Amino acid sequence: EPEVTQTPSHQVTQMGQEVILRCVPISNHLYFYWYRQILGQKVEFLVSFYNNEISEKSEIFDDQFSVERPDGSNFTLKIRSTKLEDSAMYFCASSGTSGGHEYFGPGTRLTVL
Amino acid sequence: RKEVEQDPGPFNVPEGATVAFNCTYSNSASQSFFWYRQDCRKEPKLLMSVYSSGNEDGRFTAQLNRASQYISLLIRDSKLSDSATYLCVVNTWNNDMRFGAGTRLTVKP
Repeated sequence: EPEVTQTPSHQVTQMGQEVILRCVPISNHLYFYWYRQILGQKVEFLVSFYNNEISEKSEIFDDQFSVERPDGSNFTLKIRSTKLEDSAMYFCASSGTSGGHEYFGPGTRLTVL
Repeated sequence: RKEVEQDPGPFNVPEGATVAFNCTYSNSASQSFFWYRQDCRKEPKLLMSVYSSGNEDGRFTAQLNRASQYISLLIRDSKLSDSATYLCVVNTWNNDMRFGAGTRLTVKP
């Protein structure tokens, strides 16, 4: 079964540093997403991406965040200057249809020290 | 009011029990509805989509009441492997998926 992959599985960084989280969505999917889940809390929507542009973003997705699809397979989330409160699990997801269910990657655990 | 609200539980039930989870959502423009399950420190995985007519998949039955903005999940004949957190998920027209906080289920022998 096709799957979404994410790298790295765990990223440790110092406060103020930039991080890039990488995702490879399912190959024929057109809609891409990032979510985060702070330990013990609910999954929170960050951003959706379609046709090479952001289609929706939440209040969490401020100017410190950006997304990119640099080639035909990767989808990245960049955090420019990490804060302690950015520590969370970041999930990438993709779907083949608008409004369809999403397939989640295994997540990247980001720890900001 | 929270966008998607669930009883957090935990629900502790014996094997073979029937358990029901409820969920309410606030955005009447919501278009699609799902139940996901999430195991500890793992990604959410789709359990089932929820349709207006109600739908069943083996031991799992999902119902949607658009008028009341209410979604339910019924699990019959619980198995130990059903132990997980169950997430109610609501999608609006612009692909903005909103998750409930989840209901934790523990099935005990």
